[in-house]
Amino acid sequence: AQTVTQSQPEMSVQEAETVTLSCTYDTSESDYYLFWYKQPPSRQMILVIRQEAYKQQNATENRFSVNFQKAAKSFSLKISDSQLGDAAMYFCACLQGAQKLVFGQGTRLTINP
Amino acid sequence: GAGVSQSPRYKVAKRGQDVALRCDPISGHVSLFWYQQALGQGPEFLTYFQNEAQLDKSGLPSDRFFAERPEGSVSTLKIQRTQQEDSAVYLCASSLVRWGSQETQYFGPGTRLLVL
Repeated sequence: AQTVTQSQPEMSVQEAETVTLSCTYDTSESDYYLFWYKQPPSRQMILVIRQEAYKQQNATENRFSVNFQKAAKSFSLKISDSQLGDAAMYFCACLQGAQKLVFGQGTRLTINP
Repeated sequence: GAGVSQSPRYKVAKRGQDVALRCDPISGHVSLFWYQQALGQGPEFLTYFQNEAQLDKSGLPSDRFFAERPEGSVSTLKIQRTQQEDSAVYLCASSLVRWGSQETQYFGPGTRLLVL
């Protein structure tokens, strides 16, 4: 069975600083996709970044980047120049052939002004 | 176009009542998914449609849960004889389908169900 683990229930960072959120996963598939979603208090789940497992290059989207370590089954999210609007729950998720996303438990990120 | 929409946004039901939750996917999206999110937890998969075909319902917790998408667009998740443990946020997501590619799922705002 596929599992996703986020070991940090809560994280906080000073505005403009950099923070890294951790995620590990377990899958027996060779072809899969990894995602980070952000869920602000309004509950709308928003895609932050995605990574295809067959790509060695780490995905980047503006201030957001990932450190994808396939052998270690690790997929961390780095947020640079943190902004107040980045405060939210962040979920790591894995998608494989069955089409269903498997989510981690989430990390609540607080931005301190 | 518009994103995924869900209605109602909030629903309070008495234990034993039936409820129906609606999802309008993004126009043109073939795949539709339902997830259940308990308080403080990550979403958990319930069921998946490709057009009107329900291809996976392995996550439905009991036979009280039923989902349909009769015309391949709008979907309804129905919960019969609601129980307190059904209290959760129900999220709907949709995605395009392209051969050989796993497409991103886009989520609606969710319906928060509270069973008293």
